[in-house]
Amino acid sequence: GAGVSQTPSNKVTEKGKYVELRCDPISGHTALYWYRQSLGQGPEFLIYFQGTGAADDSGLPNDRFFAVRPEGSVSTLKIQRTERGDSAVYLCASKRTVNTGELFFGEGSRLTVL
Amino acid sequence: GENVEQHPSTLSVQEGDSAVIKCTYSDSASNYFPWYKQELGKGPQLIIDIRSNVGEKKDQRIAVTLNKTAKHFSLHITETQPEDSAVYFCAASIGGGSNYKLTFGKGTLLTVNP
Repeated sequence: GAGVSQTPSNKVTEKGKYVELRCDPISGHTALYWYRQSLGQGPEFLIYFQGTGAADDSGLPNDRFFAVRPEGSVSTLKIQRTERGDSAVYLCASKRTVNTGELFFGEGSRLTVL
Repeated sequence: GENVEQHPSTLSVQEGDSAVIKCTYSDSASNYFPWYKQELGKGPQLIIDIRSNVGEKKDQRIAVTLNKTAKHFSLHITETQPEDSAVYFCAASIGGGSNYKLTFGKGTLLTVNP
């Protein structure tokens, strides 16, 4: 497709479980971002990739959160030992390059931790 | 880090009226200020942006103004239509010349009544 694709669109899990959220950016976009959006809030920066490497992961809340982008395209956000406070919409976005162009967001993955 | 405040949190207008949303930011190094529109169940979509070397920018019914001295910027929508109803977010970049890390406001729910 032409846009940023995120799967799953909805994920319900139990406290303590492991979760993976996938992002497929727009083809040719080298910069990829993960944001988290809690109910009634604006998106909060988590991490961004320039190519395969995580250029800035300062927004990851703790070491239960990890993200990879092994081939410089698809990215996976991984959350270990989920907690109820992790419930949110996880948004992925991509840009052609980090310093130019519009940031395109996917529709998000809604995570609910019971 | 950067802090972005957005007001009002909700705004209701009659079709054809104007709507104004205001934001302030804290980091004087910020130099990129985009506005996003988010419809229910969708990811944010860029509607207009402005850089710090420009005081005002217009695109049809939408305009953004920036006052760097006061560190505030505003979104103006004229001749509002029901399809303008959505949540609007302002954002500011951290880090001077790079706009890779956006800090978002908490959003304004705009309702345009027919």
